Amino acid sequence: AQSVTQLGSHVSVSEGALVLLRCNYSSSVPPYLFWYVQYPNQGLQLLLKYTSAATLVKGINGFEAEFKKSETSFHLTKPSAHMSDAAEYFCAVTMNSGYSTLTFGKGTMLLVSP
Amino acid sequence: NAGVTQTPKFRILKIGQSMTLQCTQDMNHNYMYWYRQDPGMGLKLIYYSVGAGITDKGEVPNGYNVSRSTTEDFPLRLELAAPSQTSVYFCASRSIGTGGETQYFGPGTRLLVL
Repeated sequence: AQSVTQLGSHVSVSEGALVLLRCNYSSSVPPYLFWYVQYPNQGLQLLLKYTSAATLVKGINGFEAEFKKSETSFHLTKPSAHMSDAAEYFCAVTMNSGYSTLTFGKGTMLLVSP
Repeated sequence: NAGVTQTPKFRILKIGQSMTLQCTQDMNHNYMYWYRQDPGMGLKLIYYSVGAGITDKGEVPNGYNVSRSTTEDFPLRLELAAPSQTSVYFCASRSIGTGGETQYFGPGTRLLVL
C-alpha cells in the first residue's frame, strides 16, 4: 500500500521568498515520487520526479526536491517565489512495478503576494 | 504531437442521463488512466488500462465504465449520472516501464450533474 500526505492545504509567501511545500509518503517498497503543478483550469504538468537516482532532483521553473528516506519525505522547494508560481501543487507516489498506479496527495495551493 | 486530448471541455447533465467522456493520446502509450478531481481531495483513480483490451478498476470505479479497443482511445462512460459525479475528470497516459515514467495529463472535462 502507498499513500501521500501533503502538510498544509494552502501556503502563502511573498514574492522573492523561499517556497517550501511538504510531502511525506508511505510505501512498503522503494518508491518513485513525483511533483505535479496545476494552473487554474488546466491539467497537471510534471515539475520533477525521483526514480532512485540522485536524491536531490531539479525540475522545471527553478523547483527542486530532496528524497529523504529516513524521514520518508520529498519536500518541494524554490529559493525565490515568482507571482507566476501561484498554482496548486500535488505530490504523488508509486511503486517500482510495471503495473503500478499513482497515488496523489490532496494538494497544496501556493499563494504568492507582491 | 497533440499529447492527450479530452472532449468535451464542459458538460451539464441531468440526473439519470448518460454520457461518454472521450480521451485520445497520440504518443503510442500503453498505459492510460482516468481520474476525478474534487476540491481539497486531490486526484482519485477511477479506472486504468495497461493496453488495448485490458482494463482494471481504480479506487473509485462505482458508476463508471471503460473500454479500450485501440491504443489511442480510452473513453469513460457514465450510465446513470448522479450529483455525486459532479467533478473534473482527467485522462492521462504513460509509456510502459517500471512505474517511474511520467504520466501526461489532458486538459480535463468539467461535469456538472443537476
